[in-house]
Amino acid sequence: RKEVEQDPGPFNVPEGATVAFNCTYSNSASQSFFWYRQDCRKEPKLLMSVYSSGNEDGRFTAQLNRASQYISLLIRDSKLSDSATYLCVVSGGGYQKVTFGIGTKLQVIP
Amino acid sequence: DTGVSQNPRHKITKRGQNVTFRCDPISEHNRLYWYRQTLGQGPEFLTYFQNEAQLEKSRLLSDRFSAERPKGSFSTLEIQRTEQGDSAMYLCASSSRTGQQNEKLFFGSGTQLSVL
Repeated sequence: RKEVEQDPGPFNVPEGATVAFNCTYSNSASQSFFWYRQDCRKEPKLLMSVYSSGNEDGRFTAQLNRASQYISLLIRDSKLSDSATYLCVVSGGGYQKVTFGIGTKLQVIP
Repeated sequence: DTGVSQNPRHKITKRGQNVTFRCDPISEHNRLYWYRQTLGQGPEFLTYFQNEAQLEKSRLLSDRFSAERPKGSFSTLEIQRTEQGDSAMYLCASSSRTGQQNEKLFFGSGTQLSVL
């Protein structure tokens, strides 16, 4: 089983739609969770951290379910500029490394 | 620019040659990571350092790959006897982690390696 699993998509959605991505992780001891955004041929950039209580940043909402070991990202009112690959990222505690999922590709269509 | 810097941006080499990439992390960051990414895949972990200590190296990494971080500052990644399968984007990231705080990675622009 992969350490971090994501549906690669692509998700093709019309402008203004709401879209949600899920990601599952295998290490129950994982402590930190993030969503990164990666544009084509660019480096990944931090979108938002994911906290146990859930957190929101404008049109973006992230949630963590430790019992089921998954995190989610919800994007409301999709914009053309949201088109990118969204990477699920998990970090263990102590000296454990940071692991990326394969990424979910989102294409927002006019 | 105080971000993560990688050099070169692009490297084209012939199969069998050795290549070396450099990464300069954000100055106050104690952790430095190397990842490899191919088209359609997420970044694949290669190795990482905390200060000058190499804490983990991916089991997928062959002996042809070696990384160093002398003095806990910049890092180099060397690939010996390159193969066509080594063609990828090599990403460096750094972070500042103390205690149990969330570890946020900041990436450089990467080095695109093409092995002919």
